[in-house]
Amino acid sequence: QKEVEQNSGPLSVPEGAIASLNCTYSDRVSQSFFWYRQYSGKSPELIMSIYSNGDKEDGRFTAQLNKASQYVSLLIRDSQPSDSATYLCAAPAGAYSNSGYALNFGKGTSLLVTP
Amino acid sequence: DVKVTQSSRYLVKRTGEKVFLECVQDMDHENMFWYRQDPGLGLRLIYFSYDVKMKEKGDIPEGYSVSREKKERFSLILESASTNQTSMYLCASLRGGADTQYFGPGTRLTVL
Repeated sequence: QKEVEQNSGPLSVPEGAIASLNCTYSDRVSQSFFWYRQYSGKSPELIMSIYSNGDKEDGRFTAQLNKASQYVSLLIRDSQPSDSATYLCAAPAGAYSNSGYALNFGKGTSLLVTP
Repeated sequence: DVKVTQSSRYLVKRTGEKVFLECVQDMDHENMFWYRQDPGLGLRLIYFSYDVKMKEKGDIPEGYSVSREKKERFSLILESASTNQTSMYLCASLRGGADTQYFGPGTRLTVL
């Protein structure tokens, strides 16, 4: 069973601080990783994807991947109260086809940004 | 913009009823998915379809079946609903060769 593990939190950070969210995965052959954000009562939306070792930056978000350690992280700089949500880490699951694949999701980390 | 719609936001059914959850996407995506989301358990894959009439079981297919007669529509069927199927059901779609899954708004199903 391929697993994606996250600390459930809640992670509480003050407004303007850096929030650091972490994720580990069990399948060494996974090549792509995703961070989804889910607001309470809403469906998940993709915020970052990463495929190569190292950092990938997009605005206030930075995804970091270390395949040797099987570790993915998401940094949110200058955190805002509107960033308060659950963040889901995901990696490809076992269900593949020629055109796509399903995802294994972690259970999510709840982030609370306090004013 | 990709749009994934689900037939109901909230649904209440009784034990033993047959339940249909419908999902429609408007972007001609090849792949469609059904997940359920429960507190403490996260999102779990029920079924996956990569083409019309094609399906694959996910991690928790027991008690569920699916139908995909048209490319844009993927239905989840609970043949005989049970209380342990009370959950949030999320549909998603994915264009072939792409990575971004787009989720529908979800259906919160309560089985009494």
